[in-house]
Amino acid sequence: GDSVTQMEGPVTLSEEAFLTINCTYTATGYPSLFWYVQYPGEGLQLLLKATKADDKGSNKGFEATYRKETTSFHLEKGSVQVSDSAVYFCALNRNSGNTPLVFGKGTRLSVIA
Amino acid sequence: NAGVTQTPKFQVLKTGQSMTLQCAQDMNHEYMSWYRQDPGMGLRLIHYSVGAGITDQGEVPNGYNVSRSTTEDFPLRLLSAAPSQTSVYFCASSLQDQETQYFGPGTRLLVL
Repeated sequence: GDSVTQMEGPVTLSEEAFLTINCTYTATGYPSLFWYVQYPGEGLQLLLKATKADDKGSNKGFEATYRKETTSFHLEKGSVQVSDSAVYFCALNRNSGNTPLVFGKGTRLSVIA
Repeated sequence: NAGVTQTPKFQVLKTGQSMTLQCAQDMNHEYMSWYRQDPGMGLRLIHYSVGAGITDQGEVPNGYNVSRSTTEDFPLRLLSAAPSQTSVYFCASSLQDQETQYFGPGTRLLVL
């Protein structure tokens, strides 16, 4: 079945460091890909998404490119801030039928000043 | 718009008790779902609904019931709580099932 694998955390970085969180997926067809972020004590909120191969999603300085050839959707940010400390979830959605999102297990990021 | 609201925010139950977790959205979304979040497990889908009167099981449906009598509300019922149901529960909605999902703030449940 469809699945999402993302790098194990936690990830601890200093402020202004470069961030990469790896995400790979297994799916039939052409899924849409998402990154959600969960700040402490809150629900998940959409960070960015891409709906087809080679699309780049971006928001708040974060970017991810849909790579069909490597089945990947890695999250990157050039300079992290303390306020980016959160749990990040990669997810996919098959674009057919009544299928819900499939989530990865989440990666906790801590940014220290 | 209030978005997706969940009540209560926190609940403590004894084993065997029943309760209903409430979820409501005011965005006229057809698709609603319930997830549980456990450490190291990510989010797992419990039940979902593609519209009023239609529900289906997700990955971990045992011990939970749902109904969808209106577009706005999607309550989750625990008929006989067990310690294994200690978790954080999130409700989510989207305009259609392939669209971006909007999450509520969660309900933290502790079953003793």
